[in-house]
Amino acid sequence: ETGVTQSPTHLIKTRGQQVTLRCSSQSGHNTVSWYQQALGQGPQFIFQYYREEENGRGNFPPRFSGLQFPNYSSELNVNALELDDSALYLCASSLAGVSRVETQYFGPGTRLLVL
Amino acid sequence: SQQGEEDPQALSIQEGENATMNCSYKTSINNLQWYRQNSGRGLVHLILIRSNEREKHSGRLRVTLDTSKKSSSLLITASRAADTASYFCATAGHSNDYKLSFGAGTTVTVRA
Repeated sequence: ETGVTQSPTHLIKTRGQQVTLRCSSQSGHNTVSWYQQALGQGPQFIFQYYREEENGRGNFPPRFSGLQFPNYSSELNVNALELDDSALYLCASSLAGVSRVETQYFGPGTRLLVL
Repeated sequence: SQQGEEDPQALSIQEGENATMNCSYKTSINNLQWYRQNSGRGLVHLILIRSNEREKHSGRLRVTLDTSKKSSSLLITASRAADTASYFCATAGHSNDYKLSFGAGTTVTVRA
């Protein structure tokens, strides 16, 4: 158990809808990253948040957006869902700064199916 | 695009045997990490090796890193059925960049 939780565990949406996924970071961690993992592939970096600001983004369109809250929990929002958005969405927390921890601790993921 | 490439894509071994998988990457790194994933669940961190390190051990795991060849290997000794999983290498760039770039993974099956 990493202490990182995600909700919901599974979700089914239809094309064009919007979805919000949630992540609660490990206690004491101030950085959260989101990854998309398609079936049979490795995780792809979506973006990272540090102290409530976006701190890097992967090759994903603007309809993928995020938020990090003062308690370091986070949301991933995806608008105008497409069939190819079907995937396992993983969040990972870590600690940046003077006492940084480079290891990322992953949550169990949210499996999204877009029909 | 994926930074790392694991080899082989799949590996089937008998319990008690060793399993070796390799990872190659393209750009300079700050560190390289190996993760395990069981049945499409979350990733579990196994080991981190920094760019100035050549070898690291953790229990039955041994990781090597050759930055001149941009490659790493993960050795699992005396494998157990519980080691059945997908294994991913992930690279981190400069020290302030926490983005991990993953390969496509090696699926390991340990037969009892």
